[in-house]
Amino acid sequence: QVQLVQSGRELKKPGASVKVSCKASGYTFSTFGVAWVRQAPGEGLEWVGWITGDNSRTNFAQKFQGRVSLTTDTSTSTAYMELRSLRSGDTAVYYCARVSITSWPYFDSWGQGSLVTVSS
Amino acid sequence: QSVLTQPPSASGTPGQRVTISCSGSSSNIGGNAVNWYQQLPGSAPKVVIYTNDQRPSGVPDRFSGSKSGTSASLAISGLQSEDEADYYCASWDDSLSGHVFGPGTKVTVL
Repeated sequence: QVQLVQSGRELKKPGASVKVSCKASGYTFSTFGVAWVRQAPGEGLEWVGWITGDNSRTNFAQKFQGRVSLTTDTSTSTAYMELRSLRSGDTAVYYCARVSITSWPYFDSWGQGSLVTVSS
Repeated sequence: QSVLTQPPSASGTPGQRVTISCSGSSSNIGGNAVNWYQQLPGSAPKVVIYTNDQRPSGVPDRFSGSKSGTSASLAISGLQSEDEADYYCASWDDSLSGHVFGPGTKVTVL
C-alpha cells in the first residue's frame, strides 16, 4: 500500500534552515508528484508547493517563493522540502502528500507530518 | 484569509444529514475542481471527495460532494460519531497560480 514516512520533529532558531524528508513506498515514485502542506498550531491547512516525482518541475505558493526548495531523489524514493530564513510564524506541522491526477490533481495519500518549531 | 469561505462549524445528531458549504470565485471553484479533506483530531488529512463529486475507494457512501458555479458542498448523511472532524475544501486558484484550502469547518456530532 502507498505509504509516506516523514522525518522527525525539528527545533530551529530564527534565521536558520530546515530540511524535511518524505520517503515513499508502495508505488512508482517518479510517476506521481509530491505536495507539501503545512498547518500552524490550531490553524488550517496551507499549501506550500509541489514537485513532480522526476524532479523536473516545481510550483510554489507566492508567499514561499525564494525561501523554499523542493527536490526529489528517485533512487531512494524520497522527497525533500527545505525552508530557509525561518521565523516564528513558520512553526507548524509540515505534511507531504502524493499528488494524484485524474482529470484534476488532488492529494490522495499523506505523510504523518513533521513538527518544525522555530524558537530562540 | 482564504479565498475560499467555509462556515467555522456545523453539527448534527447521529443519523442526521449535515451539509458544509464552500464558496469561492471564478478564479478557483468556478473554473477548477474541488476536493474535500477530512482531518480527525491529531491525524493527517485524508481525501473524502475529489474532483467535485468522486469518492475514493474506502470512503463510505454517506459522503457526497457537489459543485455549482462558484460554490461547492460536502454532505454527510447518516452522521456517525467517527465523522467528528475538521473538513477542508480545496481548489486551484488561477489568479494566485496556486492550490488553496478553505479555512475548515469543524463538524460536531451531538
